[in-house]
Amino acid sequence: QVQLQESGPGLVKPSGTLSLTCNVSGASVNSYYWSWIRQAPGKRLEWVGFSFYTGDTELNPFLGNRVTISVDTSKNQVSLTLNSVTAADTAVYHCAGGRGRSTWFDHWGQGVLVIVSS
Amino acid sequence: DIVMTQSPDTLAVSLGDRATIRCTSSHSLVYGANNKNYVSWYQQKPGQPPKLLIYWASTRDSGVPDRFSGAGSGTDFTLTISSLQAEDVAVYYCQQHHVTPWTFGQGTKVEI
Repeated sequence: QVQLQESGPGLVKPSGTLSLTCNVSGASVNSYYWSWIRQAPGKRLEWVGFSFYTGDTELNPFLGNRVTISVDTSKNQVSLTLNSVTAADTAVYHCAGGRGRSTWFDHWGQGVLVIVSS
Repeated sequence: DIVMTQSPDTLAVSLGDRATIRCTSSHSLVYGANNKNYVSWYQQKPGQPPKLLIYWASTRDSGVPDRFSGAGSGTDFTLTISSLQAEDVAVYYCQQHHVTPWTFGQGTKVEI
């Protein structure tokens, strides 16, 4: 059974960097396209971007050049880095896996709440 | 970006009754090469991540009860729960994976 577990600081200061890791178990990280999806309080789910182990990556333009998603095959992990955060980046961040480049999300992590505040 | 709009925002249904949620897309979600609709549906219960119910508009994921069904094509889609059970209380989201950035509907809360 595929399990995803996000981890990282729950509190980040404004203008700082948000760094999260998603640990994948029950499957090889090479088998899926990995996305990060966030949900701000009271808002709809928002796709941040995806990455595949080959380096094939696509990011949501609304975040500009602030975001990086990478896949670490040696650790079977997926990472998210978001720079220059503001209060608008406060959200629950989920990692999710899909079998193909343009497919649904088969597996979701529980999510981690990240609050941007001084 | 493709905008996904769900209706209603909240749906109150009696146990055993039918619940229907509508999702409208701002652009067609049919992929011409395979004639499939690139829309999926998720169920999210409080404190849990979303769970995949339906993909390609009408294909139930493995293990999903057959009281859940999806229909539609092009820009108009529906998720139907044929006989609402207590455990179906949740927020339901549609999502398009036809064109990036992938986008979700605002969610429909189903309550008893």
